[in-house]
Amino acid sequence: DADVTQTPRNRITKTGKRIMLECSQTKGHDRMYWYRQDPGLGLRLIYYSFDVKDINKGEISDGYSVSRQAQAKFSLSLESAIPNQTALYFCATVDRMDEQFFGPGTRLTVL
Amino acid sequence: KQEVTQIPAALSVPEGENLVLNCSFTDSAIYNLQWFRQDPGKGLTSLLLIQSSQREQTSGRLNASLDKSSGRSTLYIAASQPGDSATYLCAVSNNNDMRFGAGTRLTVKP
Repeated sequence: DADVTQTPRNRITKTGKRIMLECSQTKGHDRMYWYRQDPGLGLRLIYYSFDVKDINKGEISDGYSVSRQAQAKFSLSLESAIPNQTALYFCATVDRMDEQFFGPGTRLTVL
Repeated sequence: KQEVTQIPAALSVPEGENLVLNCSFTDSAIYNLQWFRQDPGKGLTSLLLIQSSQREQTSGRLNASLDKSSGRSTLYIAASQPGDSATYLCAVSNNNDMRFGAGTRLTVKP
């Protein structure tokens, strides 16, 4: 089984809809991150969490919210999706040496 | 604000060639630098992690170097193979702020 899993893998939705992307990990890492990837822009950090009670905004948090339900689960929500949130979304865990481990990604399309 | 640049954006080489991918960053106060490989439509696979106190790391045909003072890292791939074709990304870590380059898309032709 994969160490970091994301669901769904693909999602098409309409403008204004609420969307939740989920991430689970079995690596036992405290730190979890959400990124989005756009062509030509690399990955940009949306939110990160050090543990269940510690949530931090990243570079591009506007329009997104997160929930850390447990050490192993970190969810990303788009309260009211808009077309420019169409992107590839990645969850990652980070170990004590700052090494990152990524999930397979969720391709989100907002029409 | 840390900025990470990877040049070239794309590179095509014949099989068997040795090659170097470049990564530069503007703030030398980094905690570590990590190189990743990304295949089309897939997630990122960690290749090498260099801590700020280290100068290089090696794994098989891959060697990554780090020069903090000049804000540069290189990823050297020896004896390239078609299976090395992918996008290679570097990421720098500084106090929990992770910044990625846009990547270099490598094509190794048989």
